[in-house]
Amino acid sequence: DAKTTQPPSMDCAEGRAANLPCNHSTISGNEYVYWYRQIHSQGPQYIIHGLKNNETNEMASLIITEDRKSSTLILPHATLRDTAVYYCIVRGISNTGNQFYFGTGTSLTVIP
Amino acid sequence: GAGVSQSPRYKVAKRGQDVALRCDPISGHVSLFWYQQALGQGPEFLTYFQNEAQLDKSGLPSDRFFAERPEGSVSTLTIQRTQQEDSAVYLCVSSAGQGVEKLFFGSGTQLSVL
Repeated sequence: DAKTTQPPSMDCAEGRAANLPCNHSTISGNEYVYWYRQIHSQGPQYIIHGLKNNETNEMASLIITEDRKSSTLILPHATLRDTAVYYCIVRGISNTGNQFYFGTGTSLTVIP
Repeated sequence: GAGVSQSPRYKVAKRGQDVALRCDPISGHVSLFWYQQALGQGPEFLTYFQNEAQLDKSGLPSDRFFAERPEGSVSTLTIQRTQQEDSAVYLCVSSAGQGVEKLFFGSGTQLSVL
């Protein structure tokens, strides 16, 4: 699976949009982009995933560039409860179910 | 249960002790993974089961680490002769199938080896 690169930390003002970037320049055609977040002392929580089209759900939006080499997770109106470590992961289908590579993620701090 | 359940939540072991960590995945989930998360790091893959078959154990750091899922549901990760470097949070993850889909994480077992 392709590896990802994320900034180690970001701040965002409460109520503003949080835009978290991720580079995955070696992604292959059948690999999806996933975003998870981990709040202190909890297991990672699924946010959203996509292949090549932009996706939106109740938690966030995912914007994937046309060449698929990078993506941005958007939290439209950040709240204090969105303070967490955000992981960008790419993964494809394999017969062995394959691993997810998490990297070190982006620590997002939402500031009151 | 509603989610992935892990026990114990915290475990303190003396160096050299064996420990067994339990995972109850979501009922009916085919895939089960174990991940290790050191302080300040992202989770790292240890092993993967599809039902009772252990299809990938490439992430296990040494032969002191052993995982099983004999009936395709509950899984146990056993660490023999624990060392201080084994101190970490051990996360169990399950998913419904074997394709590209959501993973569901347990809250983990925090292991401290003294």
